[in-house]
Amino acid sequence: KAGVTQTPRYLIKTRGQQVTLSCSPISGHRSVSWYQQTPGQGLQFLFEYFSETQRNKGNFPGRFSGRQFSNSRSEMNVSTLELGDSALYLCASSGGALSYEQYFGPGTRLTVT
Amino acid sequence: QQQVKQSPQSLIVQKGGISIINCAYENTAFDYFPWYQQFPGKGPALLIAIRPDVSEKKEGRFTISFNKSAKQFSLHIMDSQPGDSATYFCAATGSGGGADGLTFGKGTHLIIQP
Repeated sequence: KAGVTQTPRYLIKTRGQQVTLSCSPISGHRSVSWYQQTPGQGLQFLFEYFSETQRNKGNFPGRFSGRQFSNSRSEMNVSTLELGDSALYLCASSGGALSYEQYFGPGTRLTVT
Repeated sequence: QQQVKQSPQSLIVQKGGISIINCAYENTAFDYFPWYQQFPGKGPALLIAIRPDVSEKKEGRFTISFNKSAKQFSLHIMDSQPGDSATYFCAATGSGGGADGLTFGKGTHLIIQP
């Protein structure tokens, strides 16, 4: 079974621009979560989607948003990019509504200049 | 507020030795405690996990010990191998499963010396 895939793997953007990252979960998984990983703050939860509904959101500004499609694929968007948004953005999928095991993709490395 | 504290930050162990990484949590609502292994350039990989109703779980060379009263849990890697060199993260989440999001420790950079 294929794992979680994320595109693109690397991205360079300029401050003030916006960016969209994509995630395809493991086949059959319906929950998709997004995390930000930085050297200073570590791994931080952004938000989680299940059946196209956002069920929870971490402590991030409204510039960070996401959505999930009917096929469980998910996108996250960051608007008005800041230098501090440079990070590895990780997507994780899990099976059902109350599944605990989360499986991560390889991440998208975003650099904001 | 850091809800999961992980130590040590870095660890060097000789090949064949036991690697021990510790975590402590504050939120008593946490209901699931996984450990993840991350290699450079890769996403975290689920290694082993435990629920608070058991005190120990073993999978191959990896063991989680859990102390509910002390709100602490630890990862033991027996017969550590150079291939185990990676960054290890402990995490915790509540009873909502994936919906609650994982709260991670800051990570331990483990080096196994041959």
